Amino acid sequence: QVQLQESGPGLLKPSETLTLTCTISGGSISHYYWSWIRQSPGKGLEFIAYSNDGGHINYNPSLESRATIALDTPRNQFSLKLSSVAAADTAIYYCARLNILSDIYYHVFDIWGQGTVVTVSS
Amino acid sequence: EIVMTQSPLPLSVIVGEPASISCKSSQSLLRSNGYNYLDWYLQKPGQSPQLLIYLGSKRAPGVPDRFSGSGSGTDFTLRISRVEAEDVGIYYCMQVQQAPRTFGQGTKVEIK
Repeated sequence: QVQLQESGPGLLKPSETLTLTCTISGGSISHYYWSWIRQSPGKGLEFIAYSNDGGHINYNPSLESRATIALDTPRNQFSLKLSSVAAADTAIYYCARLNILSDIYYHVFDIWGQGTVVTVSS
Repeated sequence: EIVMTQSPLPLSVIVGEPASISCKSSQSLLRSNGYNYLDWYLQKPGQSPQLLIYLGSKRAPGVPDRFSGSGSGTDFTLRISRVEAEDVGIYYCMQVQQAPRTFGQGTKVEIK
C-alpha cells in the first residue's frame, strides 16, 4: 500500500526558502504525477504544483515565480522549494499522488500524505 | 481562475437523515466529452482529504453508496442519503476543468 510522508523545517523566517520533501513508500515514483497542495485558514486548500518523471510540470500561476517541484527517482522522493516566504505562506503542506481513475485520462488526488505544518515568523 | 462557491458552510445534520451540499463554479465544468470535471473530497477531523466523487457523479473505490454526486455545468450537489456519525468533517468540491485546480471553501458537517 502506497504511503506518502512529508518532511520539512517547520519554522522559517520571512524571505527564507522553504524546502519540503515527500518520501514515497510501498510503490514507485514512476508512471504517476506527484503534487503539492497547501491548506491555510485564510485561503483554504490551494494547489501548488505537480510533476511526473517525464518532466511534465505544472504550477499554480500565483506561486509559479517562487515554486520549484522536482522528482528524485533513485530516492523515490519528490520535493518542493518555495522561495522568499512570507507569513502568508504559513500552512499545512500536503504531498499527494495524481492517479488515473477513468479511461478518459482523468487524474484525481488518490493518496495524500498526513501533511506537515510550516510556520513563517520572524 | 475558476472560483468555486459552496453552501452552506456549516451544516448540522441528524444521524440517519439525508444531507446535501451545493457547489457552484464561476465557469462551466462540462466538457465536450459529456463529463463534468468536478471532484468531491472529505477531510475527516485530524486527517488529510480523501476522494469521494470524481467526474461529478462517479464514486471513488471504497466509497459507500450513501454518497452521490449530481449536477452539470456550473451547479453541483453532493448528497448523503442517510448520514452516519463517521461522515463528520469538511467537504470540499474541486474543479479540474481548467488549470490551476481550485477548491471550494469547504462545508463543515457536524452531528446535531
